Amino acid sequence: KQEVTQIPAALSVPEGENLVLNCSFTDSAIYNLQWFRQDPGKGLTSLLLIQSSQREQTSGRLNASLDKSSGRSTLYIAASQPGDSATYLCAGRAGGTSYGKLTFGQGTILTVHP
Amino acid sequence: EPEVTQTPSHQVTQMGQEVILRCVPISNHLYFYWYRQILGQKVEFLVSFYNNEISEKSEIFDDQFSVERPDGSNFTLKIRSTKLEDSAMYFCASRERQGVRSPLHFGNGTRLTVT
Repeated sequence: KQEVTQIPAALSVPEGENLVLNCSFTDSAIYNLQWFRQDPGKGLTSLLLIQSSQREQTSGRLNASLDKSSGRSTLYIAASQPGDSATYLCAGRAGGTSYGKLTFGQGTILTVHP
Repeated sequence: EPEVTQTPSHQVTQMGQEVILRCVPISNHLYFYWYRQILGQKVEFLVSFYNNEISEKSEIFDDQFSVERPDGSNFTLKIRSTKLEDSAMYFCASRERQGVRSPLHFGNGTRLTVT
């Protein structure tokens, strides 16, 4: 059974800092991994998807990496801004006969202060 | 950009009542899902739906729950007799196709409060 863990649980940084959020998963037979952003009381916004065959994926100031052998993914945020404050979730998608069920981590609450 | 829409945004109901949560997935998507998030806990999978039938369900999705796609656009989750522990944010999601490149798109959720 896939377990996904995120550290740290919370992170507070000053504006402009580069930061890394960590995600680890137990089952390396992962199909893909998706990073989401969740604002308080809101839905999940997809940020990046990394396929199992990929090592990295980039979108603007965001860069996500995937290392299946070690069971880890990281989300790198460059030049953080107060608007980046949110909860960041990673979720692994199972392969095989599963129809794409995602297993989520508990999230990292990011606060970027001016 | 097309999005998944959910109604209502907040539903309050009494224990034992039936509720129906509604979702309109993105129009060309083929795979549909319900997830829920109890306050302070992880987002957890409930059920996936494809080709007008349930393709996978979690142990949470017991006989009290059912899903339906009554027409070409709506996707509903029904809870037959709500319990206090059903209070949670319920998210609908959809995906265009089966491939490894196909991300899940989530709606903004329905907050269900059972009193």
